[in-house]
Amino acid sequence: DADVTQTPRNRITKTGKRIMLECSQTKGHDRMYWYRQDPGLGLRLIYYSFDVKDINKGEISDGYSVSRQAQAKFSLSLESAIPNQTALYFCATSDPNSRGRDNEQFFGPGTRLTVL
Amino acid sequence: QKEVEQDPGPLSVPEGAIVSLNCTYSNSAFQYFMWYRQYSRKGPELLMYTYSSGNKEDGRFTAQVDKSSKYISLFIRDSQPSDSATYLCAMGGYNKLIFGAGTRLAVHP
Repeated sequence: DADVTQTPRNRITKTGKRIMLECSQTKGHDRMYWYRQDPGLGLRLIYYSFDVKDINKGEISDGYSVSRQAQAKFSLSLESAIPNQTALYFCATSDPNSRGRDNEQFFGPGTRLTVL
Repeated sequence: QKEVEQDPGPLSVPEGAIVSLNCTYSNSAFQYFMWYRQYSRKGPELLMYTYSSGNKEDGRFTAQVDKSSKYISLFIRDSQPSDSATYLCAMGGYNKLIFGAGTRLAVHP
């Protein structure tokens, strides 16, 4: 079944470490997104990419970077992790050419990241 | 002021109750209005989708959009324990969505 997968599912790391979160999709969608979710704040957009050559900052990009290695792969990096980056991270995809549900986003299962 | 406001709850109701979840927004340019459901330890999944004012019904769920008041609602009839989840409103234009904080709902038998 076409899907959005994220690795790792859980990660505990220490302040100052470099961390990479990976996202893969088999939906064939061009658009991919990275969000973080915090209690009481909902989902906030970190970065998004509309195709392999396109990268855009979202609402809260400071401290993060991304790489779009292929249509199916979009990675999020924390260059030097800090405790307030502890959160649930979601990758999502969308197809702007879908009929009737433009802008619907399909989410992965999430990565729970703890920075000590 | 946030672009999208949603009461985070939690909301606890007995099985069979009618549930009303709401969001307000400030950007009149929003074109698409959605409700996502998120079960514990899972990613959000689209539940309801609309791009116009009025009501849209799907089984026990009804989504309502009032663009003049910048207010959207989700109604759940005959609520079931399996409806226990976090419900996030989302709205936006062609390029991106803005999500509400999510309302945690618990339906107890």
